[in-house]
Amino acid sequence: DVKVTQSSRYLVKRTGEKVFLECVQDMDHENMFWYRQDPGLGLRLIYFSYDVKMKEKGDIPEGYSVSREKKERFSLILESASTNQTSMYLCASSADREQGETQYFGPGTRLLVL
Amino acid sequence: GEDVEQSLFLSVREGDSSVINCTYTDSSSTYLYWYKQEPGAGLQLLTYIFSNMDMKQDQRLTVLLNKKDKHLSLRIADTQTGDSAIYFCAAGAGNMLTFGGGTRLMVKP
Repeated sequence: DVKVTQSSRYLVKRTGEKVFLECVQDMDHENMFWYRQDPGLGLRLIYFSYDVKMKEKGDIPEGYSVSREKKERFSLILESASTNQTSMYLCASSADREQGETQYFGPGTRLLVL
Repeated sequence: GEDVEQSLFLSVREGDSSVINCTYTDSSSTYLYWYKQEPGAGLQLLTYIFSNMDMKQDQRLTVLLNKKDKHLSLRIADTQTGDSAIYFCAAGAGNMLTFGGGTRLMVKP
């Protein structure tokens, strides 16, 4: 069965802190994604990775960085958290197919930055 | 780039049918998806349709695609209180998906 896990369901951090959000998938998927979800805005892509050590900016990469040292793990890093980064963060993964493949989502991490 | 639009809210009575609509702008989208998000949870894939199909049925779910109008709909027959959730439409080409803002479905007993 498909499994995407995220390290925390809820996080509370202070402005200026460095924050790590971890995502692990056990499906040997090539592609992994980080989205943030805000009311009325749907899901917006922050970064994605199509291979180990490879990353691409999504629609809203400012204030974030990512790391993909191993195929199964994709980390989202907030170098210096700000209150406007309070959001729900969703990780997803997909296999590599010529015409695209379904994305499978983790349960989400709700981050509050005070 | 792709733009995907959905209405924000739909309310139905238990046992009625629900129809959630979605429009997209990029005619080159090859896959169209419906995801369900229950409170506090991630997104769960419900169903998807290839762009060369116009209908797909899966138990209580029917997806209709009008490619000419770039309109996608999800019909849930015999809606139950457990169907109350936010439903996201997504359009994809290759490995990238663009999501709509989500439609909150409220099912009243």
